[in-house]
Amino acid sequence: ETGVTQTPRHLVMGMTNKKSLKCEQHLGHNAMYWYKQSAKKPLELMFVYNFKEQTENNSVPSRFSPECPNSSHLFLHLHTLQPEDSALYLCASSQVTSGGPSTDTQYFGPGTRLTVL
Amino acid sequence: AQKITQTQPGMFVQEKEAVTLDCTYDTSDPSYGLFWYKQPSSGEMIFLIYQGSYDQQNATEGRYSLNFQKARKSANLVISASQLGDSAMYFCAMRVELGGYQKVTFGTGTKLQVIP
Repeated sequence: ETGVTQTPRHLVMGMTNKKSLKCEQHLGHNAMYWYKQSAKKPLELMFVYNFKEQTENNSVPSRFSPECPNSSHLFLHLHTLQPEDSALYLCASSQVTSGGPSTDTQYFGPGTRLTVL
Repeated sequence: AQKITQTQPGMFVQEKEAVTLDCTYDTSDPSYGLFWYKQPSSGEMIFLIYQGSYDQQNATEGRYSLNFQKARKSANLVISASQLGDSAMYFCAMRVELGGYQKVTFGTGTKLQVIP
């Protein structure tokens, strides 16, 4: 199994649909992340989970709802999205160590290309 | 606030030549980590190299090296002996820990094209 997998790879949905993105990491890491990558914009960190607890929510609209049932799986539930939510959604994981310099490296999945019609 | 600046939206390099991708950063936190990632057209972000703010030596990983100049707040990526497979987007990123929370900031990226 490759390190971080994401499904589906491509998703097209209408504004009234409900869908979920799935991420799974096989690296034994204790932290997982959701990022949004829009065209010509820097990568935006959306959510952070450390030991299954959400530790960061960067003012993400409530139409995005994360879920982390265990340290290996991360979901992003989507409902009533807007066309401007179309982007590449990347999942990452890392092994977080407390204290000292931030040395944990994040490993990314291949992403889900989302198109909202 | 943390900020990463990549001033080169696009770069060209001849195959087998070396190329430097620029990255400057801004943070008031004394402890931080700097990363470079490669993103091919397939979309996956691939980790290349890491430099810690307290590291005394510049990081190297195979053909990749990071030219870390702390006083100038720059962390340029040097790719030696460019290969056609190096054509991709390259992102510089910084990570700090603020009050137990992690803050990661990415630059806007540089598109590198290697010419045969």
